[in-house]
Amino acid sequence: EAQVTQNPRYLITVTGKKLTVTCSQNMNHEYMSWYRQDPGLGLRQIYYSMNVEVTDKGDVPEGYKVSRKEKRNFPLILESPSPNQTSLYFCASSTGSNSPLHFGNGTRLTVT
Amino acid sequence: AQSVTQLDSQVPVFEEAPVELRCNYSSSVSVYLFWYVQYPNQGLQLLLKYLSGSTLVKGINGFEAEFNKSQTSFHLRKPSVHISDTAEYFCAVTPWNNAGNMLTFGGGTRLMVKP
Repeated sequence: EAQVTQNPRYLITVTGKKLTVTCSQNMNHEYMSWYRQDPGLGLRQIYYSMNVEVTDKGDVPEGYKVSRKEKRNFPLILESPSPNQTSLYFCASSTGSNSPLHFGNGTRLTVT
Repeated sequence: AQSVTQLDSQVPVFEEAPVELRCNYSSSVSVYLFWYVQYPNQGLQLLLKYLSGSTLVKGINGFEAEFNKSQTSFHLRKPSVHISDTAEYFCAVTPWNNAGNMLTFGGGTRLMVKP
């Protein structure tokens, strides 16, 4: 089954403790991206990747890092999480620019 | 830069009634438009998209949307809703010359279908 898999689904952590949210897709998509969803703000793009070793900032990249060492994986790294990063995070992939996105089921992160 | 405004944060409607979810956008260049649906505890799924051609676009689950360039709108409609349509709906745009799939989303509209 074609899918985007994120882990974990839920994560509670404390300020400053480094964490990684994993994302993997099995559709051989070149394009992958991370979004955060906050009430009333819709989804805002954090980072995206056009292909292996090619990443770029989205609208809200501060406090986040990503890497794309393999085509299928695109982890999101929070080196020093802060409470304002409490949010619902989505990974998405597609065949390329302007193609519909396939979303994972989300990761709900709480930073205390 | 683009922006998307979904005029209603919540839309309550009775089952089998028609519904329209409004979306307006602004952009200095031509755009592609999308509607996504998010069911509880799930990611977003594509409902329909407008890239070019006919301005009336049909999507899944009986939804359709009409692109109106002069009014910069892309409203979503369904003639008769079901309980199962209860979800959050997001309008999104991306510029036609976009290289990074920089989708700009609206704030979402929560559709609540009542029996």
